[in-house]
Amino acid sequence: SAVISQKPSRDICQRGTSLTIQCQVDSQVTMMFWYRQQPGQSLTLIATANQGSEATYESGFVIDKFPISRPNLTFSTLTVSNLSPEDSSIYLCSVDRVYGYTFGSGTRLTVV
Amino acid sequence: SQQGEEDPQALSIQEGENATMNCSYKTSINNLQWYRQNSGRGLVHLILIRSNEREKHSGRLRVTLDTSKKSSSLLITASRAADTASYFCATEGGSEKLVFGKGTKLTVNP
Repeated sequence: SAVISQKPSRDICQRGTSLTIQCQVDSQVTMMFWYRQQPGQSLTLIATANQGSEATYESGFVIDKFPISRPNLTFSTLTVSNLSPEDSSIYLCSVDRVYGYTFGSGTRLTVV
Repeated sequence: SQQGEEDPQALSIQEGENATMNCSYKTSINNLQWYRQNSGRGLVHLILIRSNEREKHSGRLRVTLDTSKKSSSLLITASRAADTASYFCATEGGSEKLVFGKGTKLTVNP
């Protein structure tokens, strides 16, 4: 199965700043997925990132707040902008494999 | 929005006992998957069951799927302390997007 390197693993950020999360996959993939997991909650899909086109955002998530880049078939970044304490969550990237999805190890963001 | 509902929300058992977690969903699916998450880290894929399958085994894991009831169960036999984690079901329909349930927090006491 694919190996995903996700960075950073955790960060503490001041409100009003931004955090960019990177995911590097060890093989080419068409779609990459970004999820948010709020404290004690399940995962919610933020957006789907396709190489060469704009990301597709789920209801409740907007590009200005969560800009995504997908410069090639093995890499993507998610930026969480204008941070507020409500953005404190774990953010995960994921790719689809035939027999299930592979997830990055997650980025634990704390906004103070 | 979340599709799956797991129950129980939390489960505490002794080592060696079996653990059963249930998942219900609302819409038609292509497959249902179970994932494990340790201490808020990345998710690990456990098992995938397709909509035309009724039961699947993988080691100490047994998954059942009842599409008429839109429900699935995950059984972990002979549990170990290392099985302590949160378990999530996730459904995949036609859009290649995973929709996760709320999860069951399993604690296995040594």
